[in-house]
Amino acid sequence: AAGVIQSPRHLIKEKRETATLKCYPIPRHDTVYWYQQGPGQDPQFLISFYEKMQSDKGSIPDRFSAQQFSDYHSELNMSSLELGDSALYFCASSPGVSQPQHFGDGTRLSIL
Amino acid sequence: DQQVKQNSPSLSVQEGRISILNCDYTNSMFDYFLWYKKYPAEGPTFLISISSIKDKNEDGRFTVFLNKSAKHLSLHIVPSQPGDSAVYFCAASAQGGADGLTFGKGTHLIIQP
Repeated sequence: AAGVIQSPRHLIKEKRETATLKCYPIPRHDTVYWYQQGPGQDPQFLISFYEKMQSDKGSIPDRFSAQQFSDYHSELNMSSLELGDSALYFCASSPGVSQPQHFGDGTRLSIL
Repeated sequence: DQQVKQNSPSLSVQEGRISILNCDYTNSMFDYFLWYKKYPAEGPTFLISISSIKDKNEDGRFTVFLNKSAKHLSLHIVPSQPGDSAVYFCAASAQGGADGLTFGKGTHLIIQP
């Protein structure tokens, strides 16, 4: 079965640079969620989109923005990167309310 | 403030026995609960979920129990198998599961042969 696809799998950036992470949800899933997992931490919810509209917002810094496109894929844009942004970024998708979220394998972002 | 708590960082269980993982929550708005299994370098894998209108949900070897009055849920795995060794995360959501998930810090389950 098709899963959530995230790209790139690994990304290395320097401080103050920008980064764009991409997420392709499972077909027919209309809701996308972004999470950040720091070393030894649990995943922290950042933001979600339903039918291309922002549906919920968590602890997403103002330096980050995201959007969902007409084909339901989503992009997380990160600017003025800081050392503390080094983390695993997961995307998840869901087919609807009271349905489980299914996660991709994440993008590992390292800030030098 | 940790709204979802898994107080056991690790749990060791003999193969064939029952594994019981526990989770407590504090936010009364949570109405949808899930368990995920995670291996290193992979995303969380969905195991089982339960809505707050139920107190039990079963899927094969996995059963989740929800006690709303105690704000407690548990995951039972029986019988435990070596492939079950992983980190297990409890997660909760409000708005019928439409909101982003709040995770616990995970329990590392080790199945011993």
